[in-house]
Amino acid sequence: QKEVEQNSGPLSVPEGAIASLNCTYSDRVSQSFFWYRQYSGKSPELIMSIYSNGDKEDGRFTAQLNKASQYVSLLIRDSQPSDSATYLCAVRGTSYDKVIFGPGTSLSVIP
Amino acid sequence: EADIYQTPRYLVIGTGKKITLECSQTMGHDKMYWYQQDPGMELHLIHYSYGVNSTEKGDLSSESTVSRIRTEHFPLTLESARPSHTSQYLCASSRTGYLEAFFGQGTRLTVV
Repeated sequence: QKEVEQNSGPLSVPEGAIASLNCTYSDRVSQSFFWYRQYSGKSPELIMSIYSNGDKEDGRFTAQLNKASQYVSLLIRDSQPSDSATYLCAVRGTSYDKVIFGPGTSLSVIP
Repeated sequence: EADIYQTPRYLVIGTGKKITLECSQTMGHDKMYWYQQDPGMELHLIHYSYGVNSTEKGDLSSESTVSRIRTEHFPLTLESARPSHTSQYLCASSRTGYLEAFFGQGTRLTVV
């Protein structure tokens, strides 16, 4: 079992819709969770971080964390074509003091 | 401005050559990482460092080596480049604790 798992996609949504991206992790004691966006040929850039159970909102982005279910998600409201990218879930915990990335979910927002 | 820098951005080199990819950060981060990523594929951790004189191998076996003599500098070296080393190499850094990693712009390596 991989430490961080995501659906590879591609996930296609129409412009203006809500895109929902999911991630599960295996280390129960993980403490920090991140969502990165990576455009083709570019480096990952951090868009959200979340540390406690519940929702965290930042503009059109909402990160949701459920530690009991070992599940973290990212919602993108009012999706725009510029949101088309690969979204990487990353986890950092006490059992491994490094950031572990999932394989990424490719999102395509159709105009 | 605090940042993380990688040089060169692009490198095309012949088989058998020795190469060093540079990574420097001005953010005062103690942890640094090297990831390898093929086009359209996932990130693989190949090396990381907790601080000066600390280096560890990552989850993906790599023929490269790293050193950490200064906090801000984490170079990666390939003693004898091969076509199988063709890939994008991404350097990142983070502070101790549960904080996020920041990435450099990457080095795209092509070995011919």
